[in-house]
Amino acid sequence: DAGITQSPRHKVTETGTPVTLRCHQTENHRYMYWYRQDPGHGLRLIHYSYGVKDTDKGEVSDGYSVSRSKTEDFLLTLESATSSQTSVYFCAISESSGQGAPVYEQYFGPGTRLTVT
Amino acid sequence: SQKIEQNSEALNIQEGKTATLTCNYTNYSPAYLQWYRQDPGRGPVFLLLIRENEKEKRKERLKVTFDTTLKQSLFHITASQPADSATYLCALDLTGGGNKLTFGTGTQLKVEL
Repeated sequence: DAGITQSPRHKVTETGTPVTLRCHQTENHRYMYWYRQDPGHGLRLIHYSYGVKDTDKGEVSDGYSVSRSKTEDFLLTLESATSSQTSVYFCAISESSGQGAPVYEQYFGPGTRLTVT
Repeated sequence: SQKIEQNSEALNIQEGKTATLTCNYTNYSPAYLQWYRQDPGRGPVFLLLIRENEKEKRKERLKVTFDTTLKQSLFHITASQPADSATYLCALDLTGGGNKLTFGTGTQLKVEL
C-alpha cells in the first residue's frame, strides 16, 4: 500500500446521496484505476486514467464518474448512490516504460468499504 | 461469458507441500499474464509477471508457467507455509491495449499445519 492512500476507508451512506472517493498517490505514476470487488465477481474495472484529465471507461462504469485534475489524485464519484453500489473499492496505480508501451504490474491502495443503505 | 477462470473452490494443503493454482483464459492471446496475492481486508499485491515468450518464471518459492497453446497459467508455491494462506488472483490484458487488466475471481489457498 506504500505510496497510495484512499479516503475515506469506510463510509455508510443513504440511497440517492452523492459520494466521492479519493485516491492519492505519491509515486508520480501515469496510470490510475478504480475497481470494485464483490463476492463472486472479483475485481472489476470501473474507470481508469492515463494522464491528467485523460480518463476512460471500464467494464462497470454505469453510475460512476471520475476526475483527475492532478497527477496524484483520482476521484471516483457516485452521483446518486444505489444499494447495488455497496462494495469494496480499490484504487490502483501503474506505469509504463514509455509512450505507447504497455503497463505492467499494478499497485493497489488499501480499499474503501462503501455501504449504501 | 467468463474470460478468465480460476478454481473458485478453496485449496487446502498441508504445510511443506506444493500448492498449484490454475488460471485459464479464453478468446484472446495475451502478451503477458500476472499473479497477485490478496489477504483479507487488503488490496492485491503483485507477485509475478510472465510474458508470452517465457515458459516459466521463478521467484523464491514461487513458480509460474504460461502455456499459450492451452491458454493456461499454473502458479506453484513450493514448501508451502501457513503464511502463504491467501487468495491468489491472475490477471491479463484482454484488450490488447496494454493498459488495462482483467482479473480472475481468485482461488483461496489455505495451508494447514
